[in-house]
Amino acid sequence: DVKVTQSSRYLVKRTGEKVFLECVQDMDHENMFWYRQDPGLGLRLIYFSYDVKMKEKGDIPEGYSVSREKKERFSLILESASTNQTSMYLCASSPPDRVYNEQFFGPGTRLTVL
Amino acid sequence: EDQVTQSPEALRLQEGESSSLNCSYTVSGLRGLFWYRQDPGKGPEFLFTLYSAGEEKEKERLKATLTKKESFLHITAPKPEDSATYLCAVLGGSQGNLIFGKGTKLSVKP
Repeated sequence: DVKVTQSSRYLVKRTGEKVFLECVQDMDHENMFWYRQDPGLGLRLIYFSYDVKMKEKGDIPEGYSVSREKKERFSLILESASTNQTSMYLCASSPPDRVYNEQFFGPGTRLTVL
Repeated sequence: EDQVTQSPEALRLQEGESSSLNCSYTVSGLRGLFWYRQDPGKGPEFLFTLYSAGEEKEKERLKATLTKKESFLHITAPKPEDSATYLCAVLGGSQGNLIFGKGTKLSVKP
């Protein structure tokens, strides 16, 4: 079974802090994604990556950056956390020949910024 | 503007009471429509991909269908364990990113 793990289930940070969210997948997938999920807004794509050291902006990249130094790991960085970044963050991965087919999601990180 | 709309927002059924969830979309050049199930506090779990109008896929009590403007997720004789939020997403449009609907929260009472 594909497994996507995220470093924390719950995280509480203060405004202005630098926040790292880590995602690891164990199926050798090329493609990895970061979403945020908010009530009434659904899932929105922040960033995605097709390969190591490659990244593409999604629909809402402002205030975020990403890092993909190894194939299995995709990190989301909040350079200076703000209260409007309080949300559920979901990481996903998918195999290379079906870019958006069967994305496998992690359990999510619920981030609260105070 | 590319858009995905799911209805109803919430649906309450009695065990065994069949029904359907709707996902209507407006995208240019649909390349795929996806259904996911999400349990509270968990990430979405993939259910189906549909690529062209007329296509149908089944899994246990669930059946997904696709037309040129919408998809239905039919639930036959649901059980309480089918309770979850069901998400629809489409791939297409100018940016080529997955566009998710807001989901339908299904509750099945015994």
